[in-house]
Amino acid sequence: AAGVIQSPRHLIKEKRETATLKCYPIPRHDTVYWYQQGPGQDPQFLISFYEKMQSDKGSIPDRFSAQQFSDYHSELNMSSLELGDSALYFCASSLEVGPTDTQYFGPGTRLTVL
Amino acid sequence: KQEVTQIPAALSVPEGENLVLNCSFTDSAIYNLQWFRQDPGKGLTSLLLIQSSQREQTSGRLNASLDKSSGRSTLYIAASQPGDSATYLCAVFPGNTGKLIFGQGTTLQVKP
Repeated sequence: AAGVIQSPRHLIKEKRETATLKCYPIPRHDTVYWYQQGPGQDPQFLISFYEKMQSDKGSIPDRFSAQQFSDYHSELNMSSLELGDSALYFCASSLEVGPTDTQYFGPGTRLTVL
Repeated sequence: KQEVTQIPAALSVPEGENLVLNCSFTDSAIYNLQWFRQDPGKGLTSLLLIQSSQREQTSGRLNASLDKSSGRSTLYIAASQPGDSATYLCAVFPGNTGKLIFGQGTTLQVKP
């Protein structure tokens, strides 16, 4: 069965550089969520989209922006990178925004900021 | 503010034992609760989802229960195997916006 695809899987950037992370949800899933997991920490919600509109926002820095495109894939843009941005970034997708639907997670993008 | 706590933080058991992982949450107004498995440096694999109206869900050797009124969930693993070694995370779904709030996880080691 198709799963959530994230690219790239690994990314190394210098401080103050820009990074773009991509997420391709499971086919027919119209909702995408982004989470950040720092070393030894639990995943923290960043932002979500439903039908290409932002549906919720968590503790996402102003340096980060995201959007969902017409084909439902999503991109997380991160500018002025800081050392503290080094983390595993997960994308998840679900069929609808609601309590009955499971969120399926991608393998994550490991971002290292040097 | 919803907070999710998992106890213990780490657990080591011999192969074959039955074990219970605990998850507690401070606000009982949740829509559902999910249990995930995470291998080191890897993604999250959804194990079980319990809706707020349900008491338990089962999948193979896994059984998850939910007591919403007391703010607790347990994940029961029967006949543990070395391949079960991983970090287990519970996450609550507090409303209809979709974001999950995670606990810190329990790291399980099953020794052969």
